[in-house]
Amino acid sequence: NAGVTQTPKFQVLKTGQSMTLQCAQDMNHNSMYWYRQDPGMGLRLIYYSASEGTTDKGEVPNGYNVSRLNKREFSLRLESAAPSQTSVYFCASSEAGLVNEQFFGPGTRLTVL
Amino acid sequence: GENVEQHPSTLSVQEGDSAVIKCTYSDSASNYFPWYKQELGKRPQLIIDIRSNVGEKKDQRIAVTLNKTAKHFSLHITETQPEDSAVYFCAATARLQAQLWSRAINQAGTALIFGKGTTLSVSS
Repeated sequence: NAGVTQTPKFQVLKTGQSMTLQCAQDMNHNSMYWYRQDPGMGLRLIYYSASEGTTDKGEVPNGYNVSRLNKREFSLRLESAAPSQTSVYFCASSEAGLVNEQFFGPGTRLTVL
Repeated sequence: GENVEQHPSTLSVQEGDSAVIKCTYSDSASNYFPWYKQELGKRPQLIIDIRSNVGEKKDQRIAVTLNKTAKHFSLHITETQPEDSAVYFCAATARLQAQLWSRAINQAGTALIFGKGTTLSVSS
């Protein structure tokens, strides 16, 4: 099992450009999450999907959109990137809901110039 | 909304000493409290978690205690080793402010709120 995979590993964008971060899991988990991690800020939830077909906003959703493509895949889109979105982005999944262990992907380091 | 405070932000100990990291939370409905370890450049990984109906949980050199009345929980690492050096994050489930009105008490409308992390350095 690969667990949770993310692409790309690194990305540099110019202000105003758009891109989609991809996430996939092969653990048959129902719930998936997107976090961003900034120095000294811990992990902050952007969006999550409790189950296939549903998505909900997290703590910091502004400037992002998500798509739960199927049970395996959960993508995060930046429509018009801003320097404030420079961060490390982690995708995670869990069996069902937040009271189960979340398994994290390796992360995507995004720089917006 | 929910706030999770974590202290200290940095902690330096000698190999073999104990290390304690403390977290407080504000949402009385929080019912799950995981701890994650993140090594430099790596992904966070769960090391131990505790649910609200339990006061203490141990796993070898690691233990977590929960005081629901005082709304705080702590991570205890005994006999620390250099490989324990990492950033540790606590977290608590919490209702998202914008969704308090729209969701029943279930998994939707809640989130894991993380503390800002503690950098633990174990010197040999």
